[in-house]
Amino acid sequence: DQQVKQNSPSLSVQEGRISILNCDYTNSMFDYFLWYKKYPAEGPTFLISISSIKDKNEDGRFTVFLNKSAKHLSLHIVPSQPGDSAVYFCAARWNEKLTFGTGTRLTIIP
Amino acid sequence: EPEVTQTPSHQVTQMGQEVILRCVPISNHLYFYWYRQILGQKVEFLVSFYNNEISEKSEIFDDQFSVERPDGSNFTLKIRSTKLEDSAMYFCASSAGIQSTEAFFGQGTRLTVV
Repeated sequence: DQQVKQNSPSLSVQEGRISILNCDYTNSMFDYFLWYKKYPAEGPTFLISISSIKDKNEDGRFTVFLNKSAKHLSLHIVPSQPGDSAVYFCAARWNEKLTFGTGTRLTIIP
Repeated sequence: EPEVTQTPSHQVTQMGQEVILRCVPISNHLYFYWYRQILGQKVEFLVSFYNNEISEKSEIFDDQFSVERPDGSNFTLKIRSTKLEDSAMYFCASSAGIQSTEAFFGQGTRLTVV
């Protein structure tokens, strides 16, 4: 039951360039979508969220885009920095429950 | 900055033993959660807790699992009789309310069942 999917297990991006992480979902009942960043041996850290009624939310270097008709969202990080290297999880909320994707390991190359 | 804290950071237990994982959520938060991540797999929802009762639970959260908020600050997850497949990172999270989009996670407890 993969309601939230991140099809790219890993991504490498040059420092200073744009990182684009993608996420697809199947459940149209989700009302919020969130991105979390996770370092080894730490818990997920909240980055940015978007309501299902919006199509874009921006916070500093991070922008999340939502395409409801395609059931797709993406996280753009620009410019990418070495400290952005981590695993990024997409999560979708319905009621109080978050359903996570499998994560994408982002590596920023100096 | 307020944070969710979990103890212990690592727990090793023998199969069949009971374990209690402890969490101190952020103080003014009202919703509490447990998630787990088996090595190499995704983070999975276990249970949510509000107003001193379970509000939602997943199919993973069977009769072996229970949660409690024994006082005003702690939130615990008990596994009654641990199995090998319970080995995972267990994350506690809290959020300010149902309208609050983000849940804040603790650093996790690594449970190893041998």
